[in-house]
Amino acid sequence: AQSVTQLDSQVPVFEEAPVELRCNYSSSVSVYLFWYVQYPNQGLQLLLKYLSGSTLVKGINGFEAEFNKSQTSFHLRKPSVHISDTAEYFCAVSESSGDKLTFGTGTRLAVRP
Amino acid sequence: DSGVTQTPKHLITATGQRVTLRCSPRSGDLSVYWYQQSLDQGLQFLIQYYNGEERAKGNILERFSAQQFPDLHSELNLSSLELGDSALYFCASSVGVTGELFFGEGSRLTVL
Repeated sequence: AQSVTQLDSQVPVFEEAPVELRCNYSSSVSVYLFWYVQYPNQGLQLLLKYLSGSTLVKGINGFEAEFNKSQTSFHLRKPSVHISDTAEYFCAVSESSGDKLTFGTGTRLAVRP
Repeated sequence: DSGVTQTPKHLITATGQRVTLRCSPRSGDLSVYWYQQSLDQGLQFLIQYYNGEERAKGNILERFSAQQFPDLHSELNLSSLELGDSALYFCASSVGVTGELFFGEGSRLTVL
């Protein structure tokens, strides 16, 4: 069975600073990887996804993530954050043979002015 | 707007009661998923239906049940409610098998 670990429960950062949110996964088979964002009082919205091909994936709102198979990681990065990026970010994995998503525990990104 | 509609948005009820949460998936999506989000458990997968049939089961209690109807909408039934069932219940839908889910805005259940 697959699992996802998000090492940081909370990441405080100043506006316009770079940020990295860490995600590691565990699976015995090939996987698809996702980052979702949840703004306050809203549902989850897909930020980006890795299915195959280039290991560097670009998503919405200037975010990108890099799939590293040897380190089983899929860290999310943004070179310059805005106040509006304050939200909860979830890493998720699904096995390529199925479509059930397993989520990490989430990382709360708090952007300060 | 993800295209997934959930009703009701908020629900307050008492212990021991039964409630039904409803979900309409995106047009064309055959799979419907139910997730529970709580502060202590995070996002937990409950159950998945594909074109009317149960496809995968997660950490769903026996007091909970779900079904997907011929028009592809789904209902999650929660019975003999306990205080610990208070949570945000999300429905999501997808069209294929890549795991890309589209989430509704959730139904917030409060059990008093």
